[in-house]
Amino acid sequence: AQTVTQSQPEMSVQEAETVTLSCTYDTSESDYYLFWYKQPPSRQMILVIRQEAYKQQNATENRFSVNFQKAAKSFSLKISDSQLGDAAMYFCAYRSYSKIIFGKGTRLHILP
Amino acid sequence: SAVISQKPSRDICQRGTSLTIQCQVDSQVTMMFWYRQQPGQSLTLIATANQGSEATYESGFVIDKFPISRPNLTFSTLTVSNMSPEDSSIYLCSVGFRNTLGEKLFFGSGTQLSVL
Repeated sequence: AQTVTQSQPEMSVQEAETVTLSCTYDTSESDYYLFWYKQPPSRQMILVIRQEAYKQQNATENRFSVNFQKAAKSFSLKISDSQLGDAAMYFCAYRSYSKIIFGKGTRLHILP
Repeated sequence: SAVISQKPSRDICQRGTSLTIQCQVDSQVTMMFWYRQQPGQSLTLIATANQGSEATYESGFVIDKFPISRPNLTFSTLTVSNMSPEDSSIYLCSVGFRNTLGEKLFFGSGTQLSVL
């Protein structure tokens, strides 16, 4: 069965610094997508970045980038130049045709 | 992209009653998904709703407790039946779009349900 593991329940980073959130997953499927979602206190799930499993190149969206290691089944999120607005719960998610699975989340605190 | 309108945004209900949550999408989608997010927890998929067919429920969720309707390609409802305090959660709907650029999942703003 597919699983998604986020091993860091909480993390803190100084404003303007860089932080990396980890995510590992397990699957036997070959066609899937991986996502990072941000959930602020408003409850709205906001897509941060996504990665197609068949693409070797790591996805990048402005200050957000991923380190996708397919063989190791690792999908970490790097946030550069952290801003106060980045404070939220971050969820790693796995999506295949038959499954959508979310990790337990990492609460990110930004220290001014 | 997609804009998803979910309502109600929150409700407080009495034990034993039922609540129906609506999800309206501004474009046609094949699959809609319903999730439960218990306090301080992650999202758990309840069921996948395809238009014109019965919803597919995940392990631990049954149709009698969470009946779902999907009358057309832009709308779905989830009913939480015979509620108990353990049903107090955030319920979210989402849709997936897949094209040559890949797939994106879009979410409604959630329904915060409190059962007394």
